[in-house]
Amino acid sequence: DIQMTQSPSSLSASVGDRVTITCRASQSISTYLNWYQQKPGKAPKLLIYAASSLQSGVPSRFSGSGSGTDFTLTISSLQPEDAATYCCQQGYSTPLFGGGTKVEI
Amino acid sequence: QVQLQESGPRLVKPSGTLSLTCAVSGDSISSNNWWSWVRQPPGKGLEWIGEIYHSGSTNYNPSLKSRVTISVDKSKNQFSLKLYSVTAADTAVYYCASKTVISSRSFDYWGQGTLVTVSS
Repeated sequence: DIQMTQSPSSLSASVGDRVTITCRASQSISTYLNWYQQKPGKAPKLLIYAASSLQSGVPSRFSGSGSGTDFTLTISSLQPEDAATYCCQQGYSTPLFGGGTKVEI
Repeated sequence: QVQLQESGPRLVKPSGTLSLTCAVSGDSISSNNWWSWVRQPPGKGLEWIGEIYHSGSTNYNPSLKSRVTISVDKSKNQFSLKLYSVTAADTAVYYCASKTVISSRSFDYWGQGTLVTVSS
């Protein structure tokens, strides 16, 4: 089974900071990697699909990169409304989500 | 705009059956999507439960497969989840979602989620 390891589990940053979250797969998943944002009490929201494609309506400060086993979600300039938990999901085989990264401002 | 709405009992007794329905609007249940269930125990991460295609084909999480049935009702444009022999460990927010069959198989649309508690 493919395992997904996300890091860090939490981080604290300031408005305007560049934030990077990583997700590592235990085997190659090509670009079958998606990123979600989840705010407390809300459903997850798709941010990035296919590792680097920005979902419609998502601010351009969010970006994704990577292929194979190592992936990155970057927030170029952190905004107050970006406080949330971010998680990755592999779509290569049985859907599996990463453990999540809580971002605090 | 696709919208999904979960409904069903919020409290289930241990050893009982958890039953939820997801009503789909803004899209046909017969469109090219997998209709999925995902759950999230309080304070924990997301766990995929399973999915169904409009043809009736299903895929389940191996860890839950023996206790899960997902079905579709095309006449009502909805799909349903049954989880049998529940325990307190099944207490979670249950989401229904649509998953694309193309690209990276992302979950594009989600219901608002419903908290189901297993307790006597």
